[in-house]
Amino acid sequence: AQSVTQLDSQVPVFEEAPVELRCNYSSSVSVYLFWYVQYPNQGLQLLLKYLSGSTLVESINGFEAEFNKSQTSFHLRKPSVHISDTAEYFCAVSLSGGYQKVTFGTGTKLQVIP
Amino acid sequence: NAGVTQTPKFRILKIGQSMTLQCAQDMNHNYMYWYRQDPGMGLKLIYYSVGAGITDKGEVPNGYNVSRSTTEDFPLRLELAAPSQTSVYFCATHGSPAYEQYFGPGTRLTVT
Repeated sequence: AQSVTQLDSQVPVFEEAPVELRCNYSSSVSVYLFWYVQYPNQGLQLLLKYLSGSTLVESINGFEAEFNKSQTSFHLRKPSVHISDTAEYFCAVSLSGGYQKVTFGTGTKLQVIP
Repeated sequence: NAGVTQTPKFRILKIGQSMTLQCAQDMNHNYMYWYRQDPGMGLKLIYYSVGAGITDKGEVPNGYNVSRSTTEDFPLRLELAAPSQTSVYFCATHGSPAYEQYFGPGTRLTVT
C-alpha cells in the first residue's frame, strides 16, 4: 500500500522569502502525486498534480513541485511567498490505474509572517 | 453546478445521540469518500464508495455507517455519538482516473 510523509507540521516564513514544503512517498508501483491546499475554515482544493510526463509541475499562483522518483519525493516550493499563502498544505498519493484510493499526509501549516 | 455539498455545516450532539451527515455531488462521479480531520492528524478515511450500491471501510470506520443508493448521495450515519467523534468531516468525490478530488466545505461536529 502507498503512504506519504510530511515531516514538517509547521513552517513559518517571512513574506517574500522562499519556502519548501517536504513530501516523501512510498509505493512499489507507479503513482499519481498531488498537493492540496486548505485555507482556514474551508475544504481542500487541488493546488497541483503530477500524473506523468514532465517531472516539474506548476500551479497558477506560483507554486511548483518536482517529482523525484529516485528520492521518492514531491516537494513543494515557492520562490517568494505572500501573506495570502498562509494555509495548510497536504501532500497526497494514489496508485495510477485501477481503483485509485487517495492517501493524504498529515499536512504542513505554512505561516507567512509580514 | 454546485460541486459537492454537505449539510449541516455545524452540529452539536449529546453523547449517545445519532445523526446523519449529508453529502451530495452533481458531477456524476462514481467515487465518493468520507474523511474526518482532527487537528494535526491529517485526513483519516472513514468509508468510501466506488459506485451506487458499493461501499467499503476505510481506516477508521468504527461508529459510522454509510449507504450509496444513488450516484449523487453518500450519507454518513453516526450511531450512539461519542466525544471521540468530535471532528470536522469532509466528503469528497472524483472521477476515473483520479486526476482530482473535489471536497465539500465540511461539517464541524461536536459531541459533548
